[in-house]
Amino acid sequence: SQQGEEDPQALSIQEGENATMNCSYKTSINNLQWYRQNSGRGLVHLILIRSNEREKHSGRLRVTLDTSKKSSSLLITASRAADTASYFCATASGYSTLTFGKGTMLLVSP
Amino acid sequence: GAVVSQHPSRVICKSGTSVKIECRSLDFQATTMFWYRQFPKQSLMLMATSNEGSKATYEQGVEKDKFLINHASLTLSTLTVTSAHPEDSSFYICSARDGAGAGYGYTFGSGTRLTVV
Repeated sequence: SQQGEEDPQALSIQEGENATMNCSYKTSINNLQWYRQNSGRGLVHLILIRSNEREKHSGRLRVTLDTSKKSSSLLITASRAADTASYFCATASGYSTLTFGKGTMLLVSP
Repeated sequence: GAVVSQHPSRVICKSGTSVKIECRSLDFQATTMFWYRQFPKQSLMLMATSNEGSKATYEQGVEKDKFLINHASLTLSTLTVTSAHPEDSSFYICSARDGAGAGYGYTFGSGTRLTVV
């Protein structure tokens, strides 16, 4: 079942701009993960943030987590055309299954 | 890093036939694998959790007799879509964890595009 809601559903920006995507969830979690999916392909794990962490960085990615608001954000800085993809947040409540949000389709134009 | 190999990447089958999709963990052992289904422009919906050496756990609304899951070894899980119908056409993705604990992410296969004609 889905519990995450991402916004916006679609985002169109120019190369070099920053892209921010948000994710909200409903239940308590152990961690929250962000994934990227190119059209018709599998998912690539981008970053994981644990429930006791508030911010995490990985290259051009910055993820924040606010457990009091049950929300997370993914910031991609200095975007590139190759960043065009769908981005999903997923929450893990136990040590097994992931629950995915609906995703944000990001289009980065050259 | 961990790699999950999924085959085939695309398959077209006739209505009424069965299709088997394989998911292999190449460089790690996976006692648990997960099967998802994704319709166009939608998110991933968990279908079932595949457990090595035991029966799969299916999500509510997923027909276990239609979507047969076998996890016979620590590196291989298979999903068989039996008596496929056009409404089964979808993108199927498997995943596995390469470690235990809350700090590990999941590795996904590249997906299988099933088209039932």
